[in-house]
Amino acid sequence: KAGVTQTPRYLIKTRGQQVTLSCSPISGHRSVSWYQQTPGQGLQFLFEYFSETQRNKGNFPGRFSGRQFSNSRSEMNVSTLELGDSALYLCASSLAGIGGYTFGSGTRLTVV
Amino acid sequence: GQQVMQIPQYQHVQEGEDFTTYCNSSTTLSNIQWYKQRPGGHPVFLIQLVKSGEVKKQKRLTFQFGEAKKNSSLHITATQTTDVGTYFCAGPPREDSNDYKLSFGAGTTVTVRA
Repeated sequence: KAGVTQTPRYLIKTRGQQVTLSCSPISGHRSVSWYQQTPGQGLQFLFEYFSETQRNKGNFPGRFSGRQFSNSRSEMNVSTLELGDSALYLCASSLAGIGGYTFGSGTRLTVV
Repeated sequence: GQQVMQIPQYQHVQEGEDFTTYCNSSTTLSNIQWYKQRPGGHPVFLIQLVKSGEVKKQKRLTFQFGEAKKNSSLHITATQTTDVGTYFCAGPPREDSNDYKLSFGAGTTVTVRA
């Protein structure tokens, strides 16, 4: 079966711009989580969606937002980009948020 | 909130040697998961342990869940160059909680000397 697909793989944006990242989970998986990974901070939880509802949110500013569609696909948006937002953004899906997660290859965002 | 800690942060191993990495949670876990991330890659699910004291093996990897369900370990025997990467443990929310955040430890980055 197809894995978790994240698009785009790479992005270069300028400070102050906004960006939208996309994630298509494994078919049948209704839970989608987003993580930010940086060398110094490891995997930081952003938010988790299940059946179009955000069930939990990490400690990130309101510039970070997300949503999930009825087909379980998810998007995350970062507005007013800052240099510190440069990171690998990972999406992970699971059946219901409990059990092993399958990660996508990530979107590497560089803010210049 | 729940915190998951891993030690050591870095592990430099001679090929053929054994090593262990440890994971400790500030709260009791419903289960513990382990992931491996190769350099330049993304985390890949390795295993999930659910029962207190549970031990599972995958070839040269042995995973253990503590009796109190607050700690876990990963032991690798006869390390090979293919074991290079960062190993993360992750504590999912308790089944009776409303917290759906999978908390990851900082990881143990393993390098192997041939």
